[in-house]
Amino acid sequence: QQQVKQSPQSLIVQKGGISIINCAYENTAFDYFPWYQQFPGKGPALLIAIRPDVSEKKEGRFTISFNKSAKQFSLHIMDSQPGDSATYFCAASTGGSARQLTFGSGTQLTVLP
Amino acid sequence: NAGVMQNPRHLVRRRGQEARLRCSPMKGHSHVYWYRQLPEEGLKFMVYLQKENIIDESGMPKERFSAEFPKEGPSILRIQQVVRGDSAAYFCASSLGPGMDTEAFFGQGTRLTVV
Repeated sequence: QQQVKQSPQSLIVQKGGISIINCAYENTAFDYFPWYQQFPGKGPALLIAIRPDVSEKKEGRFTISFNKSAKQFSLHIMDSQPGDSATYFCAASTGGSARQLTFGSGTQLTVLP
Repeated sequence: NAGVMQNPRHLVRRRGQEARLRCSPMKGHSHVYWYRQLPEEGLKFMVYLQKENIIDESGMPKERFSAEFPKEGPSILRIQQVVRGDSAAYFCASSLGPGMDTEAFFGQGTRLTVV
């Protein structure tokens, strides 16, 4: 099964709050899990990525939590800002790299000022 | 160092015409990937190419779609006899190679509208 399921479809958060987006996968061969941020009219841009040998990775206000046994991973955006308003996609691939990514369906995040 | 360049940014074609989408990878990148994004959906992998070779085309529709990445020049995604269902954003990404932890950089996409 190649699907990556992402939730919620949309999310509204107050400025300064925590945004949490969740993804689940079935293919146990996946070994690279990136998150992409996409603004309207732009291409996706890599935000942060994790390999399954670690349970958490933090870069600035962005943290990925990874649960290998549950086959789930999530993105946490701390101290959310209006500039974070965008669509976020989780993805997964094999071979430990970003080739042939399987994307989730996306989460439209709105951060209210 | 310029990023991944795609052109045109917007393309309008009538049903039955051909659409040609171009992608110039980042400097030094020899691996190119094409994805299609339908409205309100995630990106779907179409094809993975290396210079002069198609590595994986498992996501490409069997008919009307083709892709190439010649030794010189950009990668081309060609859609023959377009239909309304081909209307989508087509994104190209490039990477240094398929190795571990290799990041793929995306272009801004070509938005194809079939009227």
